[in-house]
Amino acid sequence: NAGVMQNPRHLVRRRGQEARLRCSPMKGHSHVYWYRQLPEEGLKFMVYLQKENIIDESGMPKERFSAEFPKEGPSILRIQQVVRGDSAAYFCASSPTFGQGSTEAFFGQGTRLTVV
Amino acid sequence: GESVGLHLPTLSVQEGDNSIINCAYSNSASDYFIWYKQESGKGPQFIIDIRSNMDKRQGQRVTVLLNKTVKHLSLQIAATQPGDSAVYFCAEGYTGFQKLVFGTGTRLLVSP
Repeated sequence: NAGVMQNPRHLVRRRGQEARLRCSPMKGHSHVYWYRQLPEEGLKFMVYLQKENIIDESGMPKERFSAEFPKEGPSILRIQQVVRGDSAAYFCASSPTFGQGSTEAFFGQGTRLTVV
Repeated sequence: GESVGLHLPTLSVQEGDNSIINCAYSNSASDYFIWYKQESGKGPQFIIDIRSNMDKRQGQRVTVLLNKTVKHLSLQIAATQPGDSAVYFCAEGYTGFQKLVFGTGTRLLVSP
């Protein structure tokens, strides 16, 4: 059972370009969460999704950022017109349907976005 | 050596010592708490969790203590090893909604 898979691991974008970050949850997991981590800081919640639904996007910037988790395929975090302040590590986590045991969320290895 | 909380971002210990990492959480409604270990360049790795109806939980070489009165959480690592060197984060959440709120982290350095 593969863990949470994120790709790419490293992404370099010029200012103004678009960044697409992908996350495939663990098998059997229907909940996906995206977090952002700046250097030497804790993780900050961005968005919580279930298949085809955004449950909570209270941590997402109002502009340029969007997320989806389609019926088929990975979850995508999309950042349009990137700026240098978007440079960070973006982590995805997944969990099984809540209530079916553990509260544990498993994290992927992250995508490190660098905007130049 | 004992951390005095998140005001001390780095805890340095000798191999074999016991380590204590502290965390103050913010939301009195939080009903579960998790400790994560994060090594350089990697994602957070689950260590141990505890529900709010408990005050202590033990794992392999680790113990988590919860004091709801003062909203304080601690992670104790017994016989600390060099492989334990990492940044440790506490996180809090609440039932039905797994939006974790992370603390700022403590770096643990273990010298051989």
